[in-house]
Amino acid sequence: QKEVEQNSGPLSVPEGAIASLNCTYSDRGSQSFFWYRQYSGKSPELIMFIYSNGDKEDGRFTAQLNKASQYVSLLIRDSQPSDSATYLCAVRDSSASKIIFGSGTRLSIRP
Amino acid sequence: GAVVSQHPSRVICKSGTSVKIECRSLDFQATTMFWYRQFPKQSLMLMATSNEGSKATYEQGVEKDKFLINHASLTLSTLTVTSAHPEDSSFYICSAPSLKKSSTDTQYFGPGTRLTVL
Repeated sequence: QKEVEQNSGPLSVPEGAIASLNCTYSDRGSQSFFWYRQYSGKSPELIMFIYSNGDKEDGRFTAQLNKASQYVSLLIRDSQPSDSATYLCAVRDSSASKIIFGSGTRLSIRP
Repeated sequence: GAVVSQHPSRVICKSGTSVKIECRSLDFQATTMFWYRQFPKQSLMLMATSNEGSKATYEQGVEKDKFLINHASLTLSTLTVTSAHPEDSSFYICSAPSLKKSSTDTQYFGPGTRLTVL
């Protein structure tokens, strides 16, 4: 059973600080990794994707990937109250086209 | 980015009735679409993969006779929840992969359909 694991949270971070979200996956052959943000009652929206080891930055967001450790993370700099949401880590199954989602981490940015 | 729509956005029905949910790719063709279900405070669970012109592939534990999927065209997939019961109340979301062939493909999600079965 291929799995994607996340801490469910809630993770509480003060406004302006860095929020760090972590994810591990079991399928060593996975090549594509995604972070989605989901507001309550809404469908997920893609924030970042990464497929090479190292860091990938996009505005306030940085995705980090370590394939040897089967670990992917998302950093949110200068956290804003609007960043409060559930963040889903997702990994593309190495043997198929489907994407496997983690259970999500609930992030709360306190003013 | 690509746009995926769903209809209806919200439906309330009586137990025992059937409900059809439509998923459309508005500006691209999708030979494959995915149907997910999400219960409150839980993650997305893949129910089935909808394949244009062929039978859907269902995940383990999902009843194919209860959740009927039809993918009759390159822009439309439908999910019909037959003889719905209160335990089928959930948030149903479809998605379609992008057209790129690289490993950085991702999926575009529809806005979801909230089903409430009384």
